[in-house]
Amino acid sequence: DTAVSQTPKYLVTQMGNDKSIKCEQNLGHDTMYWYKQDSKKFLKIMFSYNNKELIINETVPNRFSPKSPDKAHLNLHINSLELGDSAVYFCASSQGILSGNTIYFGEGSWLTVV
Amino acid sequence: QKEVEQDPGPLSVPEGAIVSLNCTYSNSAFQYFMWYRQYSRKGPELLMYTYSSGNKEDGRFTAQVDKSSKYISLFIRDSQPSDSATYLCALAVEAGTASKLTFGTGTRLQVTL
Repeated sequence: DTAVSQTPKYLVTQMGNDKSIKCEQNLGHDTMYWYKQDSKKFLKIMFSYNNKELIINETVPNRFSPKSPDKAHLNLHINSLELGDSAVYFCASSQGILSGNTIYFGEGSWLTVV
Repeated sequence: QKEVEQDPGPLSVPEGAIVSLNCTYSNSAFQYFMWYRQYSRKGPELLMYTYSSGNKEDGRFTAQVDKSSKYISLFIRDSQPSDSATYLCALAVEAGTASKLTFGTGTRLQVTL
């Protein structure tokens, strides 16, 4: 059983398109995240949700819109894709919002914008 | 200056060697120190977790935190080819704030036969 699962794993799309990445966790956690890993492997937080409520939004362009229909799901929708959006997007979850909670990552979604 | 600095490597060692991986950081508010291992085409997985200063040992892995020097280390003893991966340090500030990991860029380790 995969604890944090995200789909699709690979996505190639043209500039200007709109795409979504879905994420589900079966750990019973309250907090979910989206992290972005760029071509230099630098991993940076984008968003954090706790009990479906947005608690962290790290100066991400508003073309990126996360949506949490329930505690177990956090989807990422991206409008008007740009070349610079090409990266690996990781969904993650933790028991709570406080530091010290272990964060568990999914396997990543490789997005390539051409 | 980045909040967390980590040598990207690659670092190549023979099987059985002792590996030392390091990060330095600038924000003295960091209290939680973690090491994640990331295999190619996979997500990061937590390897070691330390709160505040000190050492922590788990099998072949030892994590050290020196807050006075703002320096953290991960040692791998008797390294194995299966240890070949990218190792990322990750830091977080004290509880009471929304959890947000600040990562180093990762060090790619290759253990050769």
